Amino acid sequence: QQQVKQSPQSLIVQKGGIPIINCAYENTAFDYFPWYQQFPGKGPALLIAIRPDVSEKKEGRFTISFNKSAKQFSLHIMDSQPGDSATYFCAASIQDFGNEKLTFGTGTRLTIIP
Amino acid sequence: DVKVTQSSRYLVKRTGEKVFLECVQDMDHENMFWYRQDPGLGLRLIYFSYDVKMKEKGDIPEGYSVSREKKERFSLILESASTNQTSMYLCASSFSEGRETQYFGPGTRLLVL
Repeated sequence: QQQVKQSPQSLIVQKGGIPIINCAYENTAFDYFPWYQQFPGKGPALLIAIRPDVSEKKEGRFTISFNKSAKQFSLHIMDSQPGDSATYFCAASIQDFGNEKLTFGTGTRLTIIP
Repeated sequence: DVKVTQSSRYLVKRTGEKVFLECVQDMDHENMFWYRQDPGLGLRLIYFSYDVKMKEKGDIPEGYSVSREKKERFSLILESASTNQTSMYLCASSFSEGRETQYFGPGTRLLVL
């Protein structure tokens, strides 16, 4: 059972465009929502994260939008560049007695074409 | 810089073999994790450990076991490898306080024939 649903599975955008990756969750106890970026041959690395008490968080060209009532959150990449081509994973977590487990989405393979 | 290393980048094993995947982190992290990554399924948690000699089952522990004898080292064991365990295996580590970033190793691509 997939607790975090991610779409699309793959996405091709021209340089300068704004790719948008969407995630939806079911468990209302989730209270932390990070995004991880993975380049080929590498492990995922934290990109940006949001808590549900804010509706938007921006770091450089990357923005998370969060809609608590709809249980959805999305990643937007402004002025996308070929170097942004990677697989992106959304995730959600609940902190349990100081130990945290992440539940990941299925991933989106993003390709930015010049 | 945080470093998480995994013992092998690629492994080829035969069905029924016992397989050891090792992970070492150099940041004195309390938590360590093993995931498998499969196309279309994302990252799924196999086991995690929040302290030496402690382990907790993740979402897909069947067919796997783990060992954590030292804080910096977390091993994943496939007691009797099967073809459906062909996958990319990722190790991660993190501190245990608050919302801590998980740092991932480069992964081990395992092929079971």
